[in-house]
Amino acid sequence: AQSVTQLDSHVSVSEGTPVLLRCNYSSSYSPSLFWYVQHPNKGLQLLLKYTSAATLVKGINGFEAEFKKSETSFHLTKPSAHMSDAAEYFCVGNTGGFKTIFGAGTRLFVKA
Amino acid sequence: GAVVSQHPSWVICKSGTSVKIECRSLDFQATTMFWYRQFPKQSLMLMATSNEGSKATYEQGVEKDKFLINHASLTLSTLTVTSAHPEDSSFYICSAPLRDTGYEQYFGPGTRLTVT
Repeated sequence: AQSVTQLDSHVSVSEGTPVLLRCNYSSSYSPSLFWYVQHPNKGLQLLLKYTSAATLVKGINGFEAEFKKSETSFHLTKPSAHMSDAAEYFCVGNTGGFKTIFGAGTRLFVKA
Repeated sequence: GAVVSQHPSWVICKSGTSVKIECRSLDFQATTMFWYRQFPKQSLMLMATSNEGSKATYEQGVEKDKFLINHASLTLSTLTVTSAHPEDSSFYICSAPLRDTGYEQYFGPGTRLTVT
């Protein structure tokens, strides 16, 4: 992707409620898109990836994302938030090369 | 799955000294690795692309003489912060992509550098 935009700098949800983290991309080519999670002072862990196969992608820890070409979106969702989901989430893309483009990140807060 | 390690995980050094950070791909070969810098509560900023057997490619605004990168082998890239200053204090993360996985990046756990 030539640009990746995460629409919310932070999202706050209550435990047990759905999570929606929004990501839009712009690209002249069919992109590969990824969602990563980062806990404080830790590296990045891959949640899921889209590489032009199924548009609905299921990842780890109950997360999933849907690639919508018409909306140029790749939003991350989870039906029920858990306290351990509180972290920074990054939407990342590329257009077939090694170089990746990071979104600015969305911090997810989960209230008890 | 592919694993990337970094060493050290954290380091404290005095202003004016140099610090070397290693990035290793443990179970795959990486002809290309990336170095990122992350300030608190911010996204990752790509610093440079490390290429095995050739010079690194630096992003605009990154001083190549200050951040020396050496891609010594197919599994090792090093970042040396020379003459470190407090403003170099940051979280440094490396990654290596796998072509076979749609260029998925495998990230190291990061190195916290504090310059006093």
